[in-house]
Order: sequence, then structure tokens, then C-alpha cells
Amino acid sequence: AQKVTQAQTEISVVEKEDVTLDCVYETRDTTYYLFWYKQPPSGELVFLIRRNSFDEQNEISGRYSWNFQKSTSSFNFTITASQVVDSAVYFCALSRGNFGNEKLTFGTGTRLTIIP
Amino acid sequence: GAGVSQSPSNKVTEKGKDVELRCDPISGHTALYWYRQRLGQGLEFLIYFQGNSAPDKSGLPSDRFSAERTGESVSTLTIQRTQQEDSAVYLCASSYSAGPATNEKLFFGSGTQLSVL
Repeated sequence: AQKVTQAQTEISVVEKEDVTLDCVYETRDTTYYLFWYKQPPSGELVFLIRRNSFDEQNEISGRYSWNFQKSTSSFNFTITASQVVDSAVYFCALSRGNFGNEKLTFGTGTRLTIIP
Repeated sequence: GAGVSQSPSNKVTEKGKDVELRCDPISGHTALYWYRQRLGQGLEFLIYFQGNSAPDKSGLPSDRFSAERTGESVSTLTIQRTQQEDSAVYLCASSYSAGPATNEKLFFGSGTQLSVL
């Protein structure tokens, strides 16, 4: 069975600080995809990134970066120089590569609050 | 439309009543998904459509839940004889396609907040 664990329920940091959101996953598949979604107060989840299990290169997009480590089954998300607009609930998700999105499993989310 | 649209945004109903939740996906998206988000919890997969067909209905919590999609467009999620435990945000998402080896990003609506009194 697939499982995604986001152990941090809530995090608060002062603006401009760096923050890392943890994501640990469990799967028996050799092919799988990992996602991060952002859910701002409006409620609409917004796609941030997708990585497949064969690509362990870390990725940076502006202030966002992702660290994928298969050895520890983790896909952590770091925001540098945080801003108030980063306040949201962030979800990590896992899909089975051979089944597509219909088997997408979400974590319980981490609520991030950036204090001005 | 420009994004995934859901209606109503809020629905308050009495226990035992039936409710219908509507989702308008992005035009051209063949795959449509329904998720449930209970307070403080992650997203729980309910059902997905590829075109007008729902290959897997195993995520529906009980036989009180049903969903349909017509014209490869609008979808309706129906909950019969609502119970208090049905209270949650129901999120709809769409993507260009679904099926084996497609793991495309999902576009979500803002959800319907359902409150069963």
C-alpha cells in the first residue's frame, strides 16, 4: 500500500527565514511520481512540482527547492527567504507510475504560516 | 472555462437530505477527479472519470455516494441520505488525460464546503 507522511502539522516562521517541509513516502513500486501542491486560503490546490522515481536530481525554482532522496524515501521542500504569500497548506503526494493519477495518495498536509 | 469551477461553494443541509455537487472541468480535459478533504486531514480519493466512464469506483465511501459525468464535461457527485460524517470539503480536479503511465498535474477547483447538520 502507498503512504505519504507529512509529520509537521503546522510550522510558523518569521518572514525571510528559510523553512523546510518534510515528506516521507512508502511504496513498493519501482516507478512512481512525487508531487507537491500548495493550498492557499482560497482552497484551490496549485501544482508546484512533479518528479519521477528515476530522477533524483534536486530542483530549484526561484525561492523553492526540492530534495529527493530515494535512500530515505523522502521528498522535502524548502522555501528560502520566505514571504507572507507563502502562507498556505502544502501537500505532498505520490502516484503509482503504472497507474497514473487515479492512484494518487496525498499526505495530510503541513500548514505554513509566515509571520510578517 | 479558464479553470475548474465547482458549485455551490457552500452547502448546508440537514441530516438525511440528498445533495448534488457540481464540477465543470477545464475545457478539453478528459480526466476528472473527485476528492474529499475532512477538516485537518489530507485529500481522500473518491472517484475519477476518463471521458464519461469511471473505471474505479472503489474509493466511494458507501453506496450513498454516486457520481456521473456527461458529454466529457460536467460531473455531478450525489450524496444520498447525508450523514454528519459527510461534512467536508469536496474537491474536483481535472487533467488532460488519465490512465497508465500518465501522471500529469491536476488542476483543482476551490471546492464545495458541505456541512450536514
